[in-house]
Amino acid sequence: DAGITQSPRHKVTETGTPVTLRCHQTENHRYMYWYRQDPGHGLRLIHYSYGVKDTDKGEVSDGYSVSRSKTEDFLLTLESATSSQTSVYFCAISALPTSGSYEQYFGPGTRLTVT
Amino acid sequence: GENVEQHPSTLSVQEGDSAVIKCTYSDSASNYFPWYKQELGKGPQLIIDIRSNVGEKKDQRIAVTLNKTAKHFSLHITETQPEDSAVYFCAATPGGYQKVTFGIGTKLQVIP
Repeated sequence: DAGITQSPRHKVTETGTPVTLRCHQTENHRYMYWYRQDPGHGLRLIHYSYGVKDTDKGEVSDGYSVSRSKTEDFLLTLESATSSQTSVYFCAISALPTSGSYEQYFGPGTRLTVT
Repeated sequence: GENVEQHPSTLSVQEGDSAVIKCTYSDSASNYFPWYKQELGKGPQLIIDIRSNVGEKKDQRIAVTLNKTAKHFSLHITETQPEDSAVYFCAATPGGYQKVTFGIGTKLQVIP
């Protein structure tokens, strides 16, 4: 298994509080991603990073910010959590493509509940 | 941007039968099409992928076909087994920064 950890694995928080999720990799891969998974929507990209301090928005970035100060860590922050951000959050990593494969390796997920 | 549609959303098959999941995409620039399997409580894991210069690819009981003209691709699982029960996602990407667009997923149940 790819060396990806996410913390915390479960969190319950109240509306309006800030929340930070952490993704840590030991693979030294260049690309890192944050997705959210919701029933009926599959996996949707929130933000991604293509290098240290290089990030860009995905399709559902409103209400989220990210930071990547080191290759191995990618942080997702909900500045002021809302109930609509209750979801399972997955971090993924990928390396420069080899042999035509753009495989992404996913972490175990963080289940976030906003009450 | 890219839009990937996937169907069916749920699929039940008897053990030993075949299962087919179909996806369509909208962006003609997409050239890489992975399939991921997600078991309960885990993150998705790549099971097979295909590039746009290939029409079909097989790996044991799993095969993927791609029709670039029609912009659709399919996953075929033969001789299904109970351990094939999971959620399957198709996806498409034009490469580059590897922004991948996923389908909504298909929950496959293999009945022993």
